[in-house]
Amino acid sequence: EIVMTQSPATLSVSPGDRATLSCRASQSVSSNLAWYQQKPGQAPGLLIYGASTRATGIPARFSGSGSGTEFTLTISSLQSEDFAVYYCQQYNNWPPWTFGQGTKVEIK
Amino acid sequence: QVQLVESGGGVVQPGRSLRLSCAASGFIFSTYGMHWVRQAPGKGLEWVAVIWYDGSNKYYADSVKGRFTISRDNSNNTLYLQMNSLRAEDTAVYYCARGAFRTTISAAFDYWGQGTLVTVSS
Repeated sequence: EIVMTQSPATLSVSPGDRATLSCRASQSVSSNLAWYQQKPGQAPGLLIYGASTRATGIPARFSGSGSGTEFTLTISSLQSEDFAVYYCQQYNNWPPWTFGQGTKVEIK
Repeated sequence: QVQLVESGGGVVQPGRSLRLSCAASGFIFSTYGMHWVRQAPGKGLEWVAVIWYDGSNKYYADSVKGRFTISRDNSNNTLYLQMNSLRAEDTAVYYCARGAFRTTISAAFDYWGQGTLVTVSS
């Protein structure tokens, strides 16, 4: 089973600032890596797939990078609606499909 | 537009059974693999099970193997999760999510339902 590790657990950021979230896989997942956003009381929503491709309707301030075992989600200028929990997920080696434990982006 | 609507959650005693449903619309259901993912209160996401677009393959998380069964009815655009021998640790919101198109090997989960809460308690 591939273990996904996200850091930090919590990120305190001011509106308008840049946020950088990290995700590490215990073995290579190529570019088969997705990022999801989850707001309180809501279902997760796909942000990024293929490590760097934005899903439909996702603003350009969200960008993903990396391949193999190291991945990054960057939010270039945080908006109020971006404060949420972000999960990475690998879909390269399955089963199981595995998620990171999440990074909470909170208002500083 | 794509819609996934779960139902069937509720409070159930340990050892009992429950069946969840996920009604799909807005896409050709019979051409996509479908997943169940759960989230315990205050916790992260845990993949539970997947079924291929045609039902030919099914996989389960070790935590539910032998107790849960995933199935689908492509004629009625509905996904199911039969949960038997429920335990307190199965308490979670259960989401259905759309997976890979037909024979695509790997795909992210591009659409999710709103979830249904299952509480296992005596």
